[in-house]
Amino acid sequence: DTEVTQTPKHLVMGMTNKKSLKCEQHMGHRAMYWYKQKAKKPPELMFVYSYEKLSINESVPSRFSPECPNSSLLNLHLHALQPEDSALYLCASSQDGAGKSSGNTIYFGEGSWLTVV
Amino acid sequence: GDSVTQMEGPVTLSEEAFLTINCTYTATGYPSLFWYVQYPGEGLQLLLKATKADDKGSNKGFEATYRKETTSFHLEKGSVQVSDSAVYFCALNPPLTGGGNKLTFGTGTQLKVEL
Repeated sequence: DTEVTQTPKHLVMGMTNKKSLKCEQHMGHRAMYWYKQKAKKPPELMFVYSYEKLSINESVPSRFSPECPNSSLLNLHLHALQPEDSALYLCASSQDGAGKSSGNTIYFGEGSWLTVV
Repeated sequence: GDSVTQMEGPVTLSEEAFLTINCTYTATGYPSLFWYVQYPGEGLQLLLKATKADDKGSNKGFEATYRKETTSFHLEKGSVQVSDSAVYFCALNPPLTGGGNKLTFGTGTQLKVEL
């Protein structure tokens, strides 16, 4: 079962709000990812957690704050966002975050559609 | 750096037509190659993958062969259906990445299949 579950599916928030996106996987994967996708574009990597430690931050503004409470859960805390942050936010996971194998496959969730007003 | 080039879309086909979506890549070493599909309003689904040269990935009637000599991973399907209408992304995963895997995506190709 290759399933990454994201909540909520849709979120509308004001620029002064604080909200969170949540992601869960039960595949025993040790790497988890946040991607941002704008319309008609490929996903862009934001953060990678490997073995519950932040390993990659792609120079994401501090108004996005990731958190990995345990190996199955990944959160993205949102605060003081701008309208241009409106996008589809995709969570993903893979089996081995240490890059030991070239065959690691990244599995994506259905995404959370975020609208900032 | 690594890069993936896909054919521009949209590609419009009649149902039961043959599909080819071209994908070429630039990478050092031997990356893994993937095709992901994104249906309207949904996330990305893994369609197929290949991890070494001459491997053929296949799923749901789609196929792609890892061609090291031409650095290509073209997606094909013999007979498309309306339900195949989606955006298709070619991607690569380099062989050595510390602390996580960094997929490099192509720009995506939108496929529209009409009756």
